[in-house]
Amino acid sequence: ETGVTQTPRHLVMGMTNKKSLKCEQHLGHNAMYWYKQSAKKPLELMFVYNFKEQTENNSVPSRFSPECPNSSHLFLHLHTLQPEDSALYLCASSQVDRGEETQYFGPGTRLLVL
Amino acid sequence: SQKIEQNSEALNIQEGKTATLTCNYTNYSPAYLQWYRQDPGRGPVFLLLIRENEKEKRKERLKVTFDTTLKQSLFHITASQPADSATYLCALPNSGGSNYKLTFGKGTLLTVNP
Repeated sequence: ETGVTQTPRHLVMGMTNKKSLKCEQHLGHNAMYWYKQSAKKPLELMFVYNFKEQTENNSVPSRFSPECPNSSHLFLHLHTLQPEDSALYLCASSQVDRGEETQYFGPGTRLLVL
Repeated sequence: SQKIEQNSEALNIQEGKTATLTCNYTNYSPAYLQWYRQDPGRGPVFLLLIRENEKEKRKERLKVTFDTTLKQSLFHITASQPADSATYLCALPNSGGSNYKLTFGKGTLLTVNP
């Protein structure tokens, strides 16, 4: 185990549903990340929270809404998704001030949008 | 941002042989480079980090080289085993103040045949 947990592990939702993905890190890190991984494509960084402040939003559609209530928890709220949003969603954490940013990933949530 | 190319999408080798994976990058020279392993349906797991002033780094059967002139890193697995079968990703930090954010390559799927 990497010290980063994600729930649920699998999620099937319709385009009109609202759901949330949860991530928790037990490593005492100060930065957390959401990535999207689709088949045949590299990891796409979606959101970054550094010391609980959002520092990156890589042109992610507004149907994805992140929330970081504290440095250990990260949520990704989903609503009115499209079938092309089906992918593996990965959460990661790191300690930003060490200068060598090793990221620790959770197991991911496999999302299927029907 | 960096553009990363990993030599091939898939590599098949015989058990006991040495696997060599390539990671090439363009644009600026990073302060370090990382390699991760990813198993199907799981999050990436950190393997090794090599700094710009290091030519080579070893960890058990793994060896990483870093040539900043060629803008290339090589990742070797010696005495390969079927359990080494996985996708291997290289990752580089973004430049400047956001160097805690990583750009990942698409990965190379390594299959070690018994």
